Amino acid sequence: TQLLEQSPQFLSIQEGENLTVYCNSSSVFSSLQWYRQEPGEGPVLLVTVVTGGEVKKLKRLTFQFGDARKDSSLHITAAQPGDTGLYLCAGAEITDKLIFGTGTRLQVFP
Amino acid sequence: DVKVTQSSRYLVKRTGEKVFLECVQDMDHENMFWYRQDPGLGLRLIYFSYDVKMKEKGDIPEGYSVSREKKERFSLILESASTNQTSMYLCASRRTGFDNSPLHFGNGTRLTVT
Repeated sequence: TQLLEQSPQFLSIQEGENLTVYCNSSSVFSSLQWYRQEPGEGPVLLVTVVTGGEVKKLKRLTFQFGDARKDSSLHITAAQPGDTGLYLCAGAEITDKLIFGTGTRLQVFP
Repeated sequence: DVKVTQSSRYLVKRTGEKVFLECVQDMDHENMFWYRQDPGLGLRLIYFSYDVKMKEKGDIPEGYSVSREKKERFSLILESASTNQTSMYLCASRRTGFDNSPLHFGNGTRLTVT
């Protein structure tokens, strides 16, 4: 089974700070999705990136898919308490099976 | 909006009991999945189903079975619950697997086996 490693595992920051979460694998994915999970709820899709080098922006969140389609990053600018949650990347194998990352738990303090 | 409903939010069962976790989706999705979520391990796939009466093993199927008799319902069965099956269980559905469709998750069932 492929592994998707996310770093850091935990992140605790003050409101207004910037942060980057990384999602790395040794394998190539056909696409990659990012989900956010809030306490007591299931994960919700934020974005899907498909093309190597692709960059997508969702308000203050910027997602990038690596050129080789093996890694991805999520950058949050001026974090807010509402960004608090568990961030999960998920890579799609050629068989369309999704492999989830280990997760990054973000806490943003006011 | 797609809704995926898991029948129980919390369950406490004893070792050796047979446990049923139920999941229903209301959007006529073809694919349904069961994951377990443990800290530091992300989501691990237990079983999935591409269609009614079809099932495929995921990465950690041991100790579990599934049933999909109707398109909207996907059940996870723990034949004889053990303490190492204490976890958060998440059900998800997806329209199809070949167009980057997102997974839609339920809110999870936290199972404790004592």
